[in-house]
Amino acid sequence: AQSVAQPEDQVNVAEGNPLTVKCTYSVSGNPYLFWYVQYPNRGLQFLLKYITGDNLVKGSYGFEAEFNKSQTSFHLKKPSALVSDSALYFCAVRDPAGGSYIPTFGRGTSLIVHP
Amino acid sequence: GAVVSQHPSRVICKSGTSVKIECRSLDFQATTMFWYRQFPKQSLMLMATSNEGSKATYEQGVEKDKFLINHASLTLSTLTVTSAHPEDSSFYICSARTSGGAYEQYFGPGTRLTVT
Repeated sequence: AQSVAQPEDQVNVAEGNPLTVKCTYSVSGNPYLFWYVQYPNRGLQFLLKYITGDNLVKGSYGFEAEFNKSQTSFHLKKPSALVSDSALYFCAVRDPAGGSYIPTFGRGTSLIVHP
Repeated sequence: GAVVSQHPSRVICKSGTSVKIECRSLDFQATTMFWYRQFPKQSLMLMATSNEGSKATYEQGVEKDKFLINHASLTLSTLTVTSAHPEDSSFYICSARTSGGAYEQYFGPGTRLTVT
């Protein structure tokens, strides 16, 4: 079975400071991992993914995420937050070895960047 | 990048009527489409998965006779909420994925349904 956890409902950070949005997962094999962002009353936008290869993945809008197999984590990071980064962020996991082709989404983390 | 559109973006209907929501992949062929429902400040709830030309696979607890899904072509899927009730009011989001190695999903902008 595949599962994903976003332990924080909300993350607050000051503009210009680094931000981290946490995600941990559980799969039987090697995971496919994704981050999406959702702005109010909009659909989700794809940010980045990890399938294989380099553990540090760079994505859209200056975001990056690091795949850590030993800690089963895939935290989303950005060196310097912008007020416009304020949105809802979703982590998702898919476990191909488990036979699933449908990803499981986390419950979402609301990121609030203060001016 | 891949674009998915949804229509309408907002709809208000009276209780007992039916509403159809369209989801289109504009620049790629979507072999698989997903329909989600999202409550305020909550995560996505997968309602059903549909593959082009086949019947949709519904998640447990989702009434297939109430939420009719049709995926008639590689670029169009529709969700019809039949005999809508106020509790069906929600934000409905579709997403699409291609086959053969494309891993990420592309999401539509969502449809806000309000049943009065």
